[in-house]
Amino acid sequence: AQTVTQSQPEMSVQEAETVTLSCTYDTSESNYYLFWYKQPPSRQMILVIRQEAYKQQNATENRFSVNFQKAAKSFSLKISDSQLGDTAMYFCAPNFGNEKLTFGTGTRLTIIP
Amino acid sequence: DTEVTQTPKHLVMGMTNKKSLKCEQHMGHRAMYWYKQKAKKPPELMFVYSYEKLSINESVPSRFSPECPNSSLLNLHLHALQPEDSALYLCASSQDWFGTYEQYFGPGTRLTVT
Repeated sequence: AQTVTQSQPEMSVQEAETVTLSCTYDTSESNYYLFWYKQPPSRQMILVIRQEAYKQQNATENRFSVNFQKAAKSFSLKISDSQLGDTAMYFCAPNFGNEKLTFGTGTRLTIIP
Repeated sequence: DTEVTQTPKHLVMGMTNKKSLKCEQHMGHRAMYWYKQKAKKPPELMFVYSYEKLSINESVPSRFSPECPNSSLLNLHLHALQPEDSALYLCASSQDWFGTYEQYFGPGTRLTVT
């Protein structure tokens, strides 16, 4: 079975600090795609960043970057210079090639002013 | 236009009612999804439509009936629901069903079954 684990149910950091959210997964597939989605309170879910498993280079989107370690099956999200608008539920959601996302349990991140 | 719209925003229905949720996208996406999300939990996939055909049904009870009248529209017909079906129902779409494509989510319909 393909599983996704987010070991940090809740995190909080001061504004402007850097925070890293962890995600590990288990799959026997070699080619797949990894996504981090963000769901702010009472607002819709949006994509934060994506990574193709065949690419060794870690993806970066402005203040958001990933540390992808394929052998370790780890896909962590780093948020630099955190802002109040980053307060949200973050879901790690790989697509292992079977038409659907496999969601982790989520990390509730709170940015403290 | 990178928007997925859902109506209604809120719905309260009795266990004997019949209602429908509607989802629309005009991005030319060929895959559309229904999810159910309980509070503080990840979304649970219910159905996937690919090129207007049902490709995945995650063993959803028959009181939920999906319909894809055209490539832009997705409906979820509800009848004889139970109180435990109260949840946020999310619709999403993606360019195609291949895993490389991100999913765009709608704001959801918050359903309460009384």
